[in-house]
Amino acid sequence: SQQGEEDPQALSIQEGENATMNCSYKTSINNLQWYRQNSGRGLVHLILIRSNEREKHSGRLRVTLDTSKKSSSLLITASRAADTASYFCATDEGYQKVTFGTGTKLQVIP
Amino acid sequence: DAGVIQSPRHEVTEMGQEVTLRCKPISGHNSLFWYRQTMMRGLELLIYFNNNVPIDDSGMPEDRFSAKMPNASFSTLKIQPSEPRDSAVYFCASSYSRYEQYFGPGTRLTVT
Repeated sequence: SQQGEEDPQALSIQEGENATMNCSYKTSINNLQWYRQNSGRGLVHLILIRSNEREKHSGRLRVTLDTSKKSSSLLITASRAADTASYFCATDEGYQKVTFGTGTKLQVIP
Repeated sequence: DAGVIQSPRHEVTEMGQEVTLRCKPISGHNSLFWYRQTMMRGLELLIYFNNNVPIDDSGMPEDRFSAKMPNASFSTLKIQPSEPRDSAVYFCASSYSRYEQYFGPGTRLTVT
């Protein structure tokens, strides 16, 4: 089964609104990463948060991590049409193994 | 750096034929990953190498699939014989240690 499960599976918002995606996982992790995938392309790394961090920012991205609940959230503020993509969380369980979740498909309507 | 390079970008083959996918990782990266992505199963890790050594191949679907990394700058994923259910996009990714992975553009495989 997937280590990471994203929620919601799909999200449609208007340009300028904020988008929040959640990721739940099952086992202990060293870090958690978020990736973006544009249609027909490979995944692109967005941000990494370590297991001893609770929040991290990068531009319009804000990631939180709650290890007690085994969950993470990705917030994209002031969304743009170019943010339309699928977003994946990836959990690092150690031993070089990173497992990707099922993804959230985000559509930002201009 | 050109990023992770995969070839071919598209492959159409008939059932039973051998298929070889190729990957050139980013220079200096010591880990290489092969993934398969389909609508039904999402993104699946097939195998990953560290310092050219296969570490975990538990995701390889069956004996028809094999992967090699003869040196730090080249890896292949081979399917022999291919079947229609192997149709998917195959991604190669590389990384340094356990941090962010850099994905190639993928190979779209269609087996008829």
